[in-house]
Amino acid sequence: EADIYQTPRYLVIGTGKKITLECSQTMGHDKMYWYQQDPGMELHLIHYSYGVNSTEKGDLSSESTVSRIRTEHFPLTLESARPSHTSQYLCASSERPWDTEAFFGQGTRLTVV
Amino acid sequence: GIQVEQSPPDLILQEGANSTLRCNFSDSVNNLQWFHQNPWGQLINLFYIPSGTKQNGRLSATTVATERYSLLYISSSQTTDSGVYFCAVESLGGATNKLIFGTGTLLAVQP
Repeated sequence: EADIYQTPRYLVIGTGKKITLECSQTMGHDKMYWYQQDPGMELHLIHYSYGVNSTEKGDLSSESTVSRIRTEHFPLTLESARPSHTSQYLCASSERPWDTEAFFGQGTRLTVV
Repeated sequence: GIQVEQSPPDLILQEGANSTLRCNFSDSVNNLQWFHQNPWGQLINLFYIPSGTKQNGRLSATTVATERYSLLYISSSQTTDSGVYFCAVESLGGATNKLIFGTGTLLAVQP
């Protein structure tokens, strides 16, 4: 069983607001990911990290930014939310950068009005 | 980049039926996982199976890495099996290993 947590679980926020989605894991995993999932089902990788002070952009361009100051914490920030950012955001972690199983948090469902 | 395709895209079953879901990938992989996304959106790990066969209760999975596909078998399906099933792969080599998801199979099990 994996211990990876996302908060908030649901968020409704107005256009132009700054938001931070939190993701924490207690397993000491090196690699962490953020995925975006729209109602059409497909998951798209938007950010990942190999460890502290490492951040990389994924395959889907995103206006969000991430940071990795501590191993266990990988927050995602939107400086100015827009309706087009409405989506589900899923965070994951894996023990090593390669060849290991990834575990997901419960997700944050974001609605920008 | 690597392409991951799943079939069928949608599947409706009667409770008690068996099914096979397929995942094809376009390049060699060193990691393959199957997930079930529940109605609340959480991804539940089913199998970590870069090669070979594994079983867990009514579910089993087989990956034939040399032929670039994986199969997920669901036997004696139950309504609680409904949801979306994803496979995800991590391609071999390169400095930027990423976990890439397939397009998913939406399964509905009817009582």
